[in-house]
Amino acid sequence: EAEVAQSPRYKITEKSQAVAFWCDPISGHATLYWYRQILGQGPELLVQFQDESVVDDSQLPKDRFSAERLKGVDSTLKIQPAELGDSAMYLCASSWGPRTYEQYFGPGTRLTVT
Amino acid sequence: SQQGEEDPQALSIQEGENATMNCSYKTSINNLQWYRQNSGRGLVHLILIRSNEREKHSGRLRVTLDTSKKSSSLLITASRAADTASYFCATDTGANSKLTFGKGITLSVRP
Repeated sequence: EAEVAQSPRYKITEKSQAVAFWCDPISGHATLYWYRQILGQGPELLVQFQDESVVDDSQLPKDRFSAERLKGVDSTLKIQPAELGDSAMYLCASSWGPRTYEQYFGPGTRLTVT
Repeated sequence: SQQGEEDPQALSIQEGENATMNCSYKTSINNLQWYRQNSGRGLVHLILIRSNEREKHSGRLRVTLDTSKKSSSLLITASRAADTASYFCATDTGANSKLTFGKGITLSVRP
């Protein structure tokens, strides 16, 4: 069964350093999502792509976070510089389209900022 | 901001018992979805119910939706130890179908 791939699975970085996460969605899925999940909370949407275009980045801290999906397939989420409060699980998900479709999640990247 | 709010926050039951989890939300929705998350892993989609549906079944899962009360419930029948996980309701609102998740319910099923 097709799965959403994410790497790395775990990342430890020092504050003020740059960090990047990669996501490869299920083939054919037009919509890609990046979520942040703080321990004990539900996922919070950071950015949503439809093909290569951003359709929602209202919760993305744009002073330090950036996301791209250049060819409308895989995607990269970057944090520069990382802060202690960025420690969380970063989840990528994809779906066939934006409306009334279930989302398929990757295993996530656990980020620890020291 | 949280749209869905699950209840209870934690639930502990014996294997074989039924587990009922509730979700309330604030604004009108396109659909409501339930997801499961095992410790430290990604989320797995369980079931989606559209705003014009009232009840849906999938295996041992039964979900209901009451749009007048802005609430949903997830019933897991004949629970198993493998059902131990966190369960999240997520509401799909707006033109881009943004999913907003609640804080989740921690279900423990004792063997």
